[in-house]
Amino acid sequence: SQQGEEDPQALSIQEGENATMNCSYKTSINNLQWYRQNSGRGLVHLILIRSNEREKHSGRLRVTLDTSKKSSSLLITASRAADTASYFCATEDSNYQLIWGAGTKLIIKP
Amino acid sequence: DAEITQSPRHKITETGRQVTLACHQTWNHNNMFWYRQDLGHGLRLIHYSYGVQDTNKGEVSDGYSVSRSNTEDLPLTLESAASSQTSVYFCASSDSTGPNEKLFFGSGTQLSVL
Repeated sequence: SQQGEEDPQALSIQEGENATMNCSYKTSINNLQWYRQNSGRGLVHLILIRSNEREKHSGRLRVTLDTSKKSSSLLITASRAADTASYFCATEDSNYQLIWGAGTKLIIKP
Repeated sequence: DAEITQSPRHKITETGRQVTLACHQTWNHNNMFWYRQDLGHGLRLIHYSYGVQDTNKGEVSDGYSVSRSNTEDLPLTLESAASSQTSVYFCASSDSTGPNEKLFFGSGTQLSVL
């Protein structure tokens, strides 16, 4: 079964705007990760947030985690054309299984 | 620089043939994984290994096998290829501190079974 589900499925914004995508999950988790995938390439790890953390930052990325709502959000500030990619969340559940969402496709328009 | 490489990048085969996809990493990671990626689905785990001579079945292991004879390589074999195995296959590795944390991925193998 699919644990993490990203929302929206696709997002198109102007360069310079902020992009927000969300991930919801069903069971308790140990941690949640976000990955980026450029077209035709493998996934690249962006950031990991543990279940006892609420917010983490990495450069232009900000991730929040709300365990009461079983959801996370990824914010990319001041978007650039190079941010065009698909973004996936992955949750590690209490059985140490890593479950992936189907991804959000982000398009940054120049 | 350390890396993880997959070969071939593209493969076309016929139903019933045996196919082996290669994965080689120079990170010296103990943990290695094989995933398949299909449109509309998240990554699905096929097999994984936590070290030499260790292999484990994942969520969608039927029809696939792996072997781990050294740290660097985890080849994935499709015993008798089926059209349902047409997919993009990704190999990944991670270090021992958290096997499911910060995975490094190869660039993928696009497999078509005709």
